[in-house]
Amino acid sequence: DIQLTQSPSFLSASVGDRVTITCRASQGISSYLAWYQQKPGKAPKLLIYAASTLQSGVPSRFSGSGSGTEFTLTISSLQPEDFATYYCQQLNSYPITFGQGTRLEIK
Amino acid sequence: EVQLVESGGGLVKPGGSLRLSCAASGFTFSSYSMNWVRQAPGKGLEWVSSISSSSSYIYYADSVKGRFTISRDNAKNSLYLQMNSLRAEDTAVYYCARDSGYCSGGSCYPQYFQHWGQGTLVTVSS
Repeated sequence: DIQLTQSPSFLSASVGDRVTITCRASQGISSYLAWYQQKPGKAPKLLIYAASTLQSGVPSRFSGSGSGTEFTLTISSLQPEDFATYYCQQLNSYPITFGQGTRLEIK
Repeated sequence: EVQLVESGGGLVKPGGSLRLSCAASGFTFSSYSMNWVRQAPGKGLEWVSSISSSSSYIYYADSVKGRFTISRDNAKNSLYLQMNSLRAEDTAVYYCARDSGYCSGGSCYPQYFQHWGQGTLVTVSS
């Protein structure tokens, strides 16, 4: 199975900050990676797919990059509504796996 | 508008069974692979199972293989998860999610989960 390791697991930042979350795969997954945002009590929301394609309707301050085994999600200027938990997901092969999550909190 | 509505969750004793349903609307259900993803209280997301549009391809996480069965009824626009031999560690919110991937040449190629239901809580406890 392909393991995904996100770092950091917890991030404290301020409105307006630029933040980057990293997701490392235990083996190469090409660009078969998606990023999701989840707020408490809600279903996950797709942000990025194919490592770098912004889902329709998602603000342009979100961006994704990477291929192979290392990927990043960047939020260029944090907004109050961005404080949530973020997950990466690999879809290169079954079983589909998720990273353990990165909780982004207000400093 | 795409809608996925799960139902069937509840409290069940260890060793018991439960059947979850996911009612789909707003899209051509028979054209898409579907998935179940779960989230234990305070924990991360765990993919559970996938089924292709025509039910030809089915995949399970090792943690549920042999105990859970995914199925679908395209005529009823519905996805199901039959859960048997339930354990305390199966306690979670269960989400259904639509996959934008495809199947070809004997394999399926998931893409991303664009649409999710609101989830249904399954609690396994004596």
